[in-house]
Parts: sequence; C-alpha cells; structure tokens
Amino acid sequence: DIQMTQFPSSLSASVGDTVTITCQASQDIDSYLNWYQQKPGKAPKLLIYDAFILDTGVPSRFSGSGSGTDFTFTITSLQPEDIATYYCQQYDKLFVTFGGGTKVEIK
Amino acid sequence: EVQLVESGGGLVQPGRSLRLSCTASGFIFDDFAMHWVRQVPGKGLEWVSGISWNSADIEYVDSVKGRFTISRDNAKLSVNLKSESLRPEDTALYYCAKCGAGWGWLDNWGQGTLVTVSS
Repeated sequence: DIQMTQFPSSLSASVGDTVTITCQASQDIDSYLNWYQQKPGKAPKLLIYDAFILDTGVPSRFSGSGSGTDFTFTITSLQPEDIATYYCQQYDKLFVTFGGGTKVEIK
Repeated sequence: EVQLVESGGGLVQPGRSLRLSCTASGFIFDDFAMHWVRQVPGKGLEWVSGISWNSADIEYVDSVKGRFTISRDNAKLSVNLKSESLRPEDTALYYCAKCGAGWGWLDNWGQGTLVTVSS
C-alpha cells in the first residue's frame, strides 16, 4: 500500500507570508496527487488535483507542484480565511490514501 | 448544484451492524465513481472504500475488509456502506464523496453522518 507522509504537521505564519507544505509518497505515484482544505466543522474541499491543476473557483494564490514521490503545496500571500487543515491525497485507480494533514494558523 | 446527503449514522454497540446511505443530486450519478471517507473528530481523514460507476471495481482500506460492503444503486442515485462487526475504532464521521472525472480526486463531499460504536 502507498503511504503518504505530509509535513509539517502544523505551522504558524503571518498574513501575506508564503506557506509551503510537502507531501512524500512511499513509491512513485506519477502526478496522481490532490490537495484539500478543511475548515473546522466543515467537509473537506478540493483545491488542486493531479498535482498542479486548480479546481474551479480556487484562488490563484494556491498552487501545487511535483511528480513521482515528492510534492509541494504553496499558499502565496496567506490570507486570514486560509486558516484550515490541508491534506494531500494520492490515488491509484480507486485506492486512495491521505496524508496526515497540516494545520495552518495565523501568527 | 451537486448535493450529497448522508444518513444512517448513530450509536451502535460493538459487534453490531449499521447501514449508511448517501443520496446524490445535481449530477449524472452513474458517470462517476463514489467513495466513503471517515474522520475521527479532531483527527485526520481516512479513506474507507470506493466504487466505480458500474460497480465493477471496488476497493477497501485493509482495516474494514471483510466487515464493510460498499454498493450503489444508480436508479436510486445512492451509494451505501454496510458496516458489520463494528468496533470502537470505527467511531467517526463518515463522509460520502464524489469522484471527479476519472478515478481519484474527490470534488464534492457531503456533510457526513456520525457513527459511534460504544457499549
């Protein structure tokens, strides 16, 4: 089974900062990597799929990159409404694995 | 507008069964794979099971294999999760999620139904 290691598990940054989250797969997953945002008490929301494609309506300050085993998620110019937990997720057809999550807070 | 509404959660004793349902609207249901994902309150997301548009492909996380069964009824626009031999560690909020085009990104989620396994 493919394992996803996400780090850091939490971070604190100031409004306007650039925030970077990393996700590492235990084996090559090509570009089959997605990113989600979850705010407290809410269902997760898809932000990026297939490593770098922004879902409809997602602000351009969110971006993703990487392929193979190493992936990066970036928030350029952090906004107060970006406070949430972010998860990476790989897929191999129907088989899915999530990373452990990164909680983003405002300093 | 895509809507996914889960139901069937509740308090159940260890070893008993529960059937979760998810009713969909706002999209062509039988064009898309569907998944169940669970989350212990305050913890991370755990994928549970997925089913292809025609039920030909089904997958489960190892911890529920042999105890949970996913199914779908395209005529009724629903996907179900039959959960048997429930354990306290199955306690979680269970989300139904729709796949995007292809297999693996979950582009719409329900609000979840809470399952509590306790004596």
